[in-house]
Amino acid sequence: DGGITQSPKYLFRKEGQNVTLSCEQNLNHDAMYWYRQDPGQGLRLIYYSQIVNDFQKGDIAEGYSVSREKKESFPLTVTSAQKNPTAFYLCASRRGTRSMNTEAFFGQGTRLTVV
Amino acid sequence: EDQVTQSPEALRLQEGESSSLNCSYTVSGLRGLFWYRQDPGKGPEFLFTLYSAGEEKEKERLKATLTKKESFLHITAPKPEDSATYLCAVHWVTSGTYKYIFGTGTRLKVLA
Repeated sequence: DGGITQSPKYLFRKEGQNVTLSCEQNLNHDAMYWYRQDPGQGLRLIYYSQIVNDFQKGDIAEGYSVSREKKESFPLTVTSAQKNPTAFYLCASRRGTRSMNTEAFFGQGTRLTVV
Repeated sequence: EDQVTQSPEALRLQEGESSSLNCSYTVSGLRGLFWYRQDPGKGPEFLFTLYSAGEEKEKERLKATLTKKESFLHITAPKPEDSATYLCAVHWVTSGTYKYIFGTGTRLKVLA
């Protein structure tokens, strides 16, 4: 079955530690996204990538980093510079930013907690 | 400023009590308006895409409509399993750049 797989489902981070969230898709989609979801704030865009080896900052990129070495993979690293990382992180993909049929397909999310 | 606003923030309905959720937007150059359903602790699932004013889409008890300023998600005779957060997202182009933004959602609770 085609889809997006995020791992792990739950992640605990100690102060000062970097952690990496995995996102893999087998939908052959060009565009991939990382969102952060906090209660009452909806989805906020962290980073996005429209093509391999290229990515752009979203609205809240500070303290995060990404890579896009393969079309199917878009890992997100939450660095120690992110002061409030506790949140629900969602990875998504879309067929392409210029396609009219541009619904997003989401993974099941990673809940990150700072301990 | 380009904005997407959903109302109400939360809605409680009795089973069978029909209602509507609203998604208003101020963007120009709309390319599409999307509705998603999100269950607690899970990623959003796509429901509908609307592309132009006057368009309507239906799926079971849900019907989405679009005007030039807003979209409505009508829920007819809801059941408890319709309880979820409903998100809208707007896809538009500005200064040659394509953008995609989500509203904050409406949390729907349907009571048996």
